[in-house]
Amino acid sequence: EIVLTQSPEFQSVTPKEKVTITCRASQSVGINLHWYQQKPDQSPKLLIKYAFQSISGVPSRFSGSGSGTDFTLTINSLEAEDAATYYCHQSSSFPLTFGGGTKVEIK
Amino acid sequence: EVHLLESGGGLVQPGGSLRLSCAASGFTFSHFAMTWVRQAPGKGLEWVSGISSDGSAYYADSVRGRFMISRDNSKNTIYVQMNSLRVDDTAVYYCAKGVATIGWAFDIWGQGTMVTVSP
Repeated sequence: EIVLTQSPEFQSVTPKEKVTITCRASQSVGINLHWYQQKPDQSPKLLIKYAFQSISGVPSRFSGSGSGTDFTLTINSLEAEDAATYYCHQSSSFPLTFGGGTKVEIK
Repeated sequence: EVHLLESGGGLVQPGGSLRLSCAASGFTFSHFAMTWVRQAPGKGLEWVSGISSDGSAYYADSVRGRFMISRDNSKNTIYVQMNSLRVDDTAVYYCAKGVATIGWAFDIWGQGTMVTVSP
């Protein structure tokens, strides 16, 4: 099973600040790494697919990078509505797995 | 509009069974992989099971042998039959749509259905 380790687990950020969340895989997943946002009492929402591919309707301040074992989700100029928990997810091999999540709080 | 609606959750005793359904609309259902993901109260996301467009099924180790996923393309619905339920199966169960026939990124999610396993 591929283990995904996210860091940090929690981040308190001021609006307009840049946020960087990392996801490290226990073995290479190529670019089969995706990012989701989950707000309290809501279903997850796909933000980035295949490491860096944008999703229609997702604000351009969200971007992804990386390949192999190291990946990054970047939120440029954080907005209040971005308060949420962010998860990475690998689809390189079964069983599919998720990272433990990164909670982003707005100061 | 693309939409997924889960149903079938509820309270069940340990060792019991439950079948969840997920009805899809707004897209060509038979063309896409579908999946179940769960979230225990206050915890993160855990992938449970997935089924590709051709019916190939995949399971997490924690549910293999107890859960069975299936799909009925004539009804645009996927199911998961959950047997030998345990207290640690308690969670909100989400169904989600894959981005392609064997694409396992999930671009559409249902609202979830709660399963509580308790004596």
